[in-house]
Amino acid sequence: DAGVTQSPTHLIKTRGQQVTLRCSPKSGHDTVSWYQQALGQGPQFIFQYYEEEERQRGNFPDRFSGHQFPNYSSELNVNALLLGDSALYLCASSLGRVLVYGYTFGSGTRLTVV
Amino acid sequence: DAKTTQPNSMESNEEEPVHLPCNHSTISGTDYIHWYRQLPSQGPEYVIHGLTSNVNNRMASLAIAEDRKSSTLILHRATLRDAAVYYCILKNAGNMLTFGGGTRLMVKP
Repeated sequence: DAGVTQSPTHLIKTRGQQVTLRCSPKSGHDTVSWYQQALGQGPQFIFQYYEEEERQRGNFPDRFSGHQFPNYSSELNVNALLLGDSALYLCASSLGRVLVYGYTFGSGTRLTVV
Repeated sequence: DAKTTQPNSMESNEEEPVHLPCNHSTISGTDYIHWYRQLPSQGPEYVIHGLTSNVNNRMASLAIAEDRKSSTLILHRATLRDAAVYYCILKNAGNMLTFGGGTRLMVKP
């Protein structure tokens, strides 16, 4: 049973560029959340998608946007990249709009902005 | 969101029990206590969660104080594979988990 799949695993972008990260949730899960983890820190919540709509958002600027597709997979887009956007981006899937049990996290996409 | 306080790091010997403490003095009545762990180069992994009563699963046990202002994650027999950062998190009615710095557990052979 595949868990959460994220692609690509590593990415290097130049300041000012745009990036798209992709996530396939665990089989049977319909909700996708995205987290950003800077080096040495705990993950920070970006937003959550359920039924193809953004349902909850953390304290991130509008440069961060997302999308969820009918098959529950999701994309995270970041525009006008800043050096400070360099981080591990984690996708987490769950079942249902309200998190009752635990998330299943992917291994993340390591984004480096130069 | 209510905050949690954990020691920055702890050490344990292999095959011995480990008790990871967490203080959450501002916890509200509807906050669930969640524990995740993050192994090197991996995403966080759900360990256990609870509300008021102690909980057991195949990975660990969660002991919750009667006043709910603290909790302890118990690994019954630490292995080298348990070396990770352990996060204690309070989750309210929303879906967001607010991670703190966690406790880095080192396991010595």
